[in-house]
Order: sequence, then C-alpha cells, then structure tokens
Amino acid sequence: SQQGEEDPQALSIQEGENATMNCSYKTSINNLQWYRQNSGRGLVHLILIRSNEREKHSGRLRVTLDTSKKSSSLLITASRAADTASYFCATGEGTSYDKVIFGPGTSLSVIP
Amino acid sequence: SAVISQKPSRDICQRGTSLTIQCQVDSQVTMMFWYRQQPGQSLTLIATANQGSEATYESGFVIDKFPISRPNLTFSTLTVSNMSPEDSSIYLCSVGRIFGQGTRLTVV
Repeated sequence: SQQGEEDPQALSIQEGENATMNCSYKTSINNLQWYRQNSGRGLVHLILIRSNEREKHSGRLRVTLDTSKKSSSLLITASRAADTASYFCATGEGTSYDKVIFGPGTSLSVIP
Repeated sequence: SAVISQKPSRDICQRGTSLTIQCQVDSQVTMMFWYRQQPGQSLTLIATANQGSEATYESGFVIDKFPISRPNLTFSTLTVSNMSPEDSSIYLCSVGRIFGQGTRLTVV
C-alpha cells in the first residue's frame, strides 16, 4: 500500500537555490517522515514530524505539516549537488519501530 | 540506532527459481518489515515479520510467493519464490526508520 501523492514528481534546480517538495496523505497519522535515497539504494531517514507539530527544522531542512489538509512540505535551502536524490515522504503509525508507508517520491536534480 | 546487514546485495536469477534474502539486526527488535521497490518506483510494504508468529502480509502479497521466516529477534529472511522477470526489484528490510542497503534482484 502507498500513501497519497508527492508533488512535483521531478524537480531540477541550480545549486544554491531552494527546493520545495510537497506530500499529501490519505489517512490519520501519528507522524510523517521524510527519507532520501541515492541511486536507487541506501534509504536515509531525514526528519520526523509528529501529528501535533506544525513545523520542524534540521540543518538545511524545514518540514511543515498541515493535518487539516493532510499535507506536508519539505524545504531544502541552499541546495548542493550532493542533494541530488529521490525524496520520499512516509507516514508512521506509532513508535520508532513501526511500519512506514511511503508516498511515490520526488526526484531532485541539483545542477552545479 | 540499530544497524542492519542485508545480503545478498544483488543477484541475477533464472526464471522459475527462488532467492532467499537475509536481514540481520545488531539489536533485538520485535518487528521487522520487508519492502519491494520496483524500478523507478517508491517502496511498497510486503509484510511485517513478528518473532514467534506468522508474518502479516499487505494486500497484493501472499505467503506462497513471499514466504518469510523470523526465527529470533535479530534475524529474518524473505524468499522470492518461482521468480519471473516482473519480480526484478530492490528488496529492503527495515526496523522502523532504519533500512538495510537492499538487495537488487534481476530475473532473466
């Protein structure tokens, strides 16, 4: 099963620009997470925002969550070529060790 | 946080054969999860593996095709049975937010 949609499906920007990716989901959630995947492997957990939070920051990452609209956004500021990857939002049901349901993902290309 | 070792990292298999993928965690965990990522797609949850009970499969996945073992709290296997080219995917195990490096399977 998969959760919702991600927008855009693909994004190409110049190095130094900001990248914004949006995610919508269908069901009630406990938390929403963002992951990065390079070259089809190596899934890395970036950030988690709980359902009672509206905004969270981690380094160059900013995540927002709007539970009334069942949507989230991921902002990467001052992008670098190394940020080129696929980004997935995913919804979690509970604790750190619960299953995660993924959205379709956004492919980000940062051009040096 | 937990560290997961998954193997093999890749394999090329003949149609009609089976492949067993192993996942080892460096700490005891109650639940382990198996995902499939088809080419160019996102991850889809196959099943949840609980130690001491049968795995719970998601819609569209059946035990005969993807049998799972969970003999203890640190280890699990996923078998892809009677493979066809449509099974060519990356298979990943996880313990919540931590993922193995994946097994890239090509069926010819």
